[in-house]
Amino acid sequence: EVPLVESGGGLVQPGGSLRLSCGASGFTFNYYNMIWVRQAPGRGLECLSYISGSGGDTYYADSVKGRFTVTRDNAKNSLYLQMNSLRAEDTAVYYCARSTAGLEVWGQGTTVTVSS
Amino acid sequence: DIVMTQSPDSLAVSLGERATINCRSSQSILYSSSNRNALAWYQQKPGQPPKRLIYWASTRASGVPDRFSGSGSGTEFTLTISSLQAEDVAVYYCQQYNNFPWTFGQGTKVEIK
Repeated sequence: EVPLVESGGGLVQPGGSLRLSCGASGFTFNYYNMIWVRQAPGRGLECLSYISGSGGDTYYADSVKGRFTVTRDNAKNSLYLQMNSLRAEDTAVYYCARSTAGLEVWGQGTTVTVSS
Repeated sequence: DIVMTQSPDSLAVSLGERATINCRSSQSILYSSSNRNALAWYQQKPGQPPKRLIYWASTRASGVPDRFSGSGSGTEFTLTISSLQAEDVAVYYCQQYNNFPWTFGQGTKVEIK
């Protein structure tokens, strides 16, 4: 059983929107804070957003603040990332990760390509 | 944002030899409530997500071989692979998780000499 599985990536035009999902299984989802991380092609890692276990606290990197929104549905064991006003520089593999002293568990990632 | 700087960018080490990667933070990453440094190390192989090796600067994650060790305090940290194995070829990242946005070093590519 894979603990975290991302979905929703794809090809989108600049200025468009996309919603990523991350399904969790095998653990008590609402106990954990969750993070979205991305990795642009051939590049390093960037933490984008944080959401607390209850969903009451969220934080964003400046690069996505005002454009991306993180939410969660604990009843569905799911994490989401709504991405609006997408730019070419948002092209990356997007990972969800479970936060426990850093990023303890990672999904396999979903690829987002922003291009016309 | 806290800047994490790794050195070197790449290194080639003979099988069975020691590999050392350094990581410097631009400010203290001491987590006040636990008095521990909020520093993690990750290993990433091609086509895979990163895997956490070390957290709290020196605690080895479950299942991680004991040839991997972390040390350091303040703003200077080190990941050591005591005896490099072929399966350790990867890119290694340090990360601070004390202040959001949590930030990563640029990565160090480890290869076999």
